Amino acid sequence: EPEVTQTPSHQVTQMGQEVILRCVPISNHLYFYWYRQILGQKVEFLVSFYNNEISEKSEIFDDQFSVERPDGSNFTLKIRSTKLEDSAMYFCASQGAATGNTIYFGEGSWLTVV
Amino acid sequence: RKEVEQDPGPFNVPEGATVAFNCTYSNSASQSFFWYRQDCRKEPKLLMSVYSSGNEDGRFTAQLNRASQYISLLIRDSKLSDSATYLCVVNVGTYKYIFGTGTRLKVLA
Repeated sequence: EPEVTQTPSHQVTQMGQEVILRCVPISNHLYFYWYRQILGQKVEFLVSFYNNEISEKSEIFDDQFSVERPDGSNFTLKIRSTKLEDSAMYFCASQGAATGNTIYFGEGSWLTVV
Repeated sequence: RKEVEQDPGPFNVPEGATVAFNCTYSNSASQSFFWYRQDCRKEPKLLMSVYSSGNEDGRFTAQLNRASQYISLLIRDSKLSDSATYLCVVNVGTYKYIFGTGTRLKVLA
């Protein structure tokens, strides 16, 4: 079964550093998402991306965050100047028009900011 | 009112029991509804989509009530392996899907 893959699975970074989380969505999917889940809390929507631009974003997705699909296969989330409160699991997801809107999630990247 | 609301539980039920969860949503324009399952520290995995007429998949039945703006999930003959957090997901924009807080289920031997 096709799957969404994410790297790294776990990253520890110092406060103030930049982090890039990478995702390879399911091929032929058209819509891409980033979500985050702080430990013990709900899964929160960050951003959706289609046709090389942001479709929707939440209030969490401020100027500190950016997304990019640099080469037609990877989908990245960049966090500039990380804060302690950015520590969370970040899930990438993809969705294809032919799948009846089901969203498939990667296994997540666990980010720890120290 | 929260966009998507669930009773966090936990629901502790014996094996073989039937258990039901509800999820309310605030956006009357929402069109897509799903139940996902999340095991501890894992990614959400689709359990089932929820269709207007209701739908069933084995021991699982999902219902949508548009008038009252809620969806439900019924699990029959609970198994130990059903222990997980069940997440309600609703679209609040064309490509914006919001999760509920999740309902924790523990099936006891």
